[in-house]
Amino acid sequence: KNEVEQSPQNLTAQEGEFITINCSYSVGISALHWLQQHPGGGIVSLFMLSSGKKKHGRLIATINIQEKHSSLHITASHPRDSAVYICAVRVHSNYQLIWGAGTKLIIKP
Amino acid sequence: SQTIHQWPATLVQPVGSPLSLECTVEGTSNPNLYWYRQAAGRGLQLLFYSVGIGQISSEVPQNLSASRPQDRQFILSSKKLLLSDSGFYLCAYLTGVTEAFFGQGTRLTVV
Repeated sequence: KNEVEQSPQNLTAQEGEFITINCSYSVGISALHWLQQHPGGGIVSLFMLSSGKKKHGRLIATINIQEKHSSLHITASHPRDSAVYICAVRVHSNYQLIWGAGTKLIIKP
Repeated sequence: SQTIHQWPATLVQPVGSPLSLECTVEGTSNPNLYWYRQAAGRGLQLLFYSVGIGQISSEVPQNLSASRPQDRQFILSSKKLLLSDSGFYLCAYLTGVTEAFFGQGTRLTVV
């Protein structure tokens, strides 16, 4: 079992829908990162979370440390949101990064 | 402010050719630098990390090597590429206990 699990693996939705991507982890962490990987491959850092909730534009990220779970939400989704969304955790014991496998999101117009 | 640069963004190389991917960091000194690789359908896996000039730790034995010739420069190399070296490579700089900065990544296709 991977230490960082993302769900779903693939998600296709219509433009305007509310999107939720989940990340669960089984190790103690000091922080969780959400990143976006564009279809061409480029990586963009979206959020770093240690607790609570962060919002940037239409993106919202939450984390529940007790439940070892984080969610990334996209409101009013748009085709330009189509990308792979990846979560990564900094492990508390050695501060290294462990990565989820990513969620491929396709937003249809 | 701290920034990290990685290039090239995409690369197509023939089997047996050499490889050099470069990662540089600005705005800090003595950074902890990391190279990761993403195979198809899997999460990124740690290849090498470096805590200082000339100090390289390898996590996975393979056809690749890494070097840290300068404080803020981290290079991923291969003498002869294999088809299995194709994938997405990412350089990262980790600082403190929470923060991480990422290069844009390199998509390598070996043909």
